[in-house]
Amino acid sequence: AQSVTQLGSHVSVSEGALVLLRCNYSSSVPPYLFWYVQYPNQGLQLLLKYTTGATLVKGINGFEAEFKKSETSFHLTKPSAHMSDAAEYFCAVSRGSQGNLIFGKGTKLSVKP
Amino acid sequence: DGGITQSPKYLFRKEGQNVTLSCEQNLNHDAMYWYRQDPGQGLRLIYYSQIVNDFQKGDIAEGYSVSREKKESFPLTVTSAQKNPTAFYLCASKTQASSYEQYFGPGTRLTVT
Repeated sequence: AQSVTQLGSHVSVSEGALVLLRCNYSSSVPPYLFWYVQYPNQGLQLLLKYTTGATLVKGINGFEAEFKKSETSFHLTKPSAHMSDAAEYFCAVSRGSQGNLIFGKGTKLSVKP
Repeated sequence: DGGITQSPKYLFRKEGQNVTLSCEQNLNHDAMYWYRQDPGQGLRLIYYSQIVNDFQKGDIAEGYSVSREKKESFPLTVTSAQKNPTAFYLCASKTQASSYEQYFGPGTRLTVT
């Protein structure tokens, strides 16, 4: 069965510092992987996705993620944090053939001035 | 503009009352989903529908019901049988069944007292 683990429910960085949010998955088939961002009291917005092909995926707002099959990981990074990056981030993996997703529990990112 | 609308944004009900949350999309998407979000729990799937007049239970369907009479609409009823209905409810949709990328509405925060 597929599952997603996000390490760290809260991550705090200083403005300008590297952002690293960790996601490990479990899947018996080649996975599709996603990162979504959620601002307070809003819906989720897709940041980036990996389906097939290049393992380094670039998304919106300067974020990128690398699919590492050997490590079953899909960590999200951004070289330089901005105050506007403060939000909750969710990693998701595809489940089954009907197009469903399984979400991790989320990581709340705080950015200090 | 195409998108997903959920109404109302905030909803208050007394315990023992059924309440229906609205979800409408004009993206011409085939599949629609309902998720429940609680702090620290991520998103949990309640119900989903791949086509009109058909829907399936998700991981936490007990105490909820849905209908899919039109492609654009997927209302969720939270019944009095749901033991802990206070939560943030998110509706999502996507294109044909073979894809996984889901688009989310802004959510409805339900408070039951």
